[in-house]
Amino acid sequence: DQQVKQNSPSLSVQEGRISILNCDYTNSMFDYFLWYKKYPAEGPTFLISISSIKDKNEDGRFTVFLNKSAKHLSLHIVPSQPGDSAVYFCAASAVKAAGNKLTFGGGTRVLVKP
Amino acid sequence: KAGVTQTPRYLIKTRGQQVTLSCSPISGHRSVSWYQQTPGQGLQFLFEYFSETQRNKGNFPGRFSGRQFSNSRSEMNVSTLELGDSALYLCASSVVTGGYGYTFGSGTRLTVV
Repeated sequence: DQQVKQNSPSLSVQEGRISILNCDYTNSMFDYFLWYKKYPAEGPTFLISISSIKDKNEDGRFTVFLNKSAKHLSLHIVPSQPGDSAVYFCAASAVKAAGNKLTFGGGTRVLVKP
Repeated sequence: KAGVTQTPRYLIKTRGQQVTLSCSPISGHRSVSWYQQTPGQGLQFLFEYFSETQRNKGNFPGRFSGRQFSNSRSEMNVSTLELGDSALYLCASSVVTGGYGYTFGSGTRLTVV
């Protein structure tokens, strides 16, 4: 059973516009959420994270929003740049319960068009 | 500062064989986790080692095993390879265990023929 879902497998956006990536989770034990970016033939690289005690975290062009009641998080990239073209994974952990295990969504492939 | 190093980068094995993959974490990192990435299943957690002890294990058959050495380097072994084991195997390390995320290596691409 998929505890973390990214329902959009792909997203195409014009350079300079906003990219919005969505992620839903089902496990109420999850209390820490992360976004990773992955280029082909490379490992995922950490982008941004958010604790369940917050509803927003911002780092430069990247902002993550968490809606705990809806069990939903989103990643906003503003403005989008061609170098942002990659696969983005959201991940969740139950810090107190499950050690260092991250549960990943299936990924969203983002294409930023110049 | 060197990143997480995985060797080899690419590997081709025959069904029924066994394989050992290696991971050297970032210096000072004591936790090493392994993931399998396939097109159909995404990133699936295999196991985590911290201070030479397996802390957590994913839902994989016993053919998948691992270990961690005193210098924090880790190895993953898959015995009796099946075609479905073809995947990108990713290793990740962090200073401590705790679910706060980690740094990934570039992975080992295993192809079983």
